[in-house]
Amino acid sequence: DTAVSQTPKYLVTQMGNDKSIKCEQNLGHDTMYWYKQDSKKFLKIMFSYNNKELIINETVPNRFSPKSPDKAHLNLHINSLELGDSAVYFCASSQDTGRNEQFFGPGTRLTVL
Amino acid sequence: SQQGEEDPQALSIQEGENATMNCSYKTSINNLQWYRQNSGRGLVHLILIRSNEREKHSGRLRVTLDTSKKSSSLLITASRAADTASYFCATGHLGGATNKLIFGTGTLLAVQP
Repeated sequence: DTAVSQTPKYLVTQMGNDKSIKCEQNLGHDTMYWYKQDSKKFLKIMFSYNNKELIINETVPNRFSPKSPDKAHLNLHINSLELGDSAVYFCASSQDTGRNEQFFGPGTRLTVL
Repeated sequence: SQQGEEDPQALSIQEGENATMNCSYKTSINNLQWYRQNSGRGLVHLILIRSNEREKHSGRLRVTLDTSKKSSSLLITASRAADTASYFCATGHLGGATNKLIFGTGTLLAVQP
């Protein structure tokens, strides 16, 4: 019954590795987002997809590549992980781009050693 | 930075008291929202107020918006221990085909039983 789910919940990895975080929503929403929350709890948008099409791409290093195989899924792949990538990553969805209320997943805590 | 600011950064009150949190932002908005984040969890949408509204209520929550001062406040009345969480304001911005939320820095509320 989880509306927005993410896997894994925790991810610990070494610098230089490549990792992916998966997100799925069962709300029938058209728009999905990835946010990064740093250690000071600043929450910043990274990407947004609407119906599998990229519509927001903030100034995120190109080591981060989102992929939306269908409108219910938005995955985040990160290449060559760096220490500064350690954060909590949240996936969210909204009904469409015109509806601002967003539904968040539980987050993935990424620790890069 | 476009990020909004919230004050206070932290607030500790007794159960039954009211809690007031303030949010200031920098640019024109389409709407302003408040979210709650319990420790280690995702964000939960609480209330949305549009730029042409001045006040909105939802249960024990009261939100005001003053677009001339670019500020908003969230009042939680008759607080409960379960209200302990971080509270974030987020401003909604329209830009072309996209809707973007910009989050504030958050207020950590502790309600003592």
